[in-house]
Amino acid sequence: KNEVEQSPQNLTAQEGEFITINCSYSVGISALHWLQQHPGGGIVSLFMLSSGKKKHGRLIATINIQEKHSSLHITASHPRDSAVYICAVRRGGSNYQLIWGAGTKLIIKP
Amino acid sequence: DTEVTQTPKHLVMGMTNKKSLKCEQHMGHRAMYWYKQKAKKPPELMFVYSYEKLSINESVPSRFSPECPNSSLLNLHLHALQPEDSALYLCASSGGRSFIYEQYFGPGTRLTVT
Repeated sequence: KNEVEQSPQNLTAQEGEFITINCSYSVGISALHWLQQHPGGGIVSLFMLSSGKKKHGRLIATINIQEKHSSLHITASHPRDSAVYICAVRRGGSNYQLIWGAGTKLIIKP
Repeated sequence: DTEVTQTPKHLVMGMTNKKSLKCEQHMGHRAMYWYKQKAKKPPELMFVYSYEKLSINESVPSRFSPECPNSSLLNLHLHALQPEDSALYLCASSGGRSFIYEQYFGPGTRLTVT
């Protein structure tokens, strides 16, 4: 079993829909990252979380440390949100290594 | 300026060539990273530099040779690569020595080895 699991693997939705991507992990962590990668492109860091909730524009990320679960929400989704969204965790006590999820491929149709 | 730049964007090289990838950041970050990413896979960490000193080498073959000439620049020298080394090479940087900070990624260099 992977230490970081994301669901769903693929998600197709219509423009304007509310999107939720989930991430579960099985190790103790010091931080959790949500990142975005467009096809063939570099990676953009969206959030780094160690507790609670963060919001940036239409993106919201939450984490529940006790349940070892995080969610990324996109409100009023737009075709430009189409990308791969990746959850990565920094293992507690390991200060450089990220453990990566497999990613969720999101397609927003106009 | 919160940007990490990488050059070139694309590189095609033969197995006998020597080439270099370049990464630059002007955010004052003191940790810099090289990652390798194969299609549909998450990035794999290759090297980490902290304060211009190599801190981590994740058992990378010697045909990949990193160099950090100063705090803003990171190079990856390539020699005698194999076709399986074809991948997207990503550079990242983060603030501070202890790597606990958010990593900022560059756009990557798409490398094809023929």
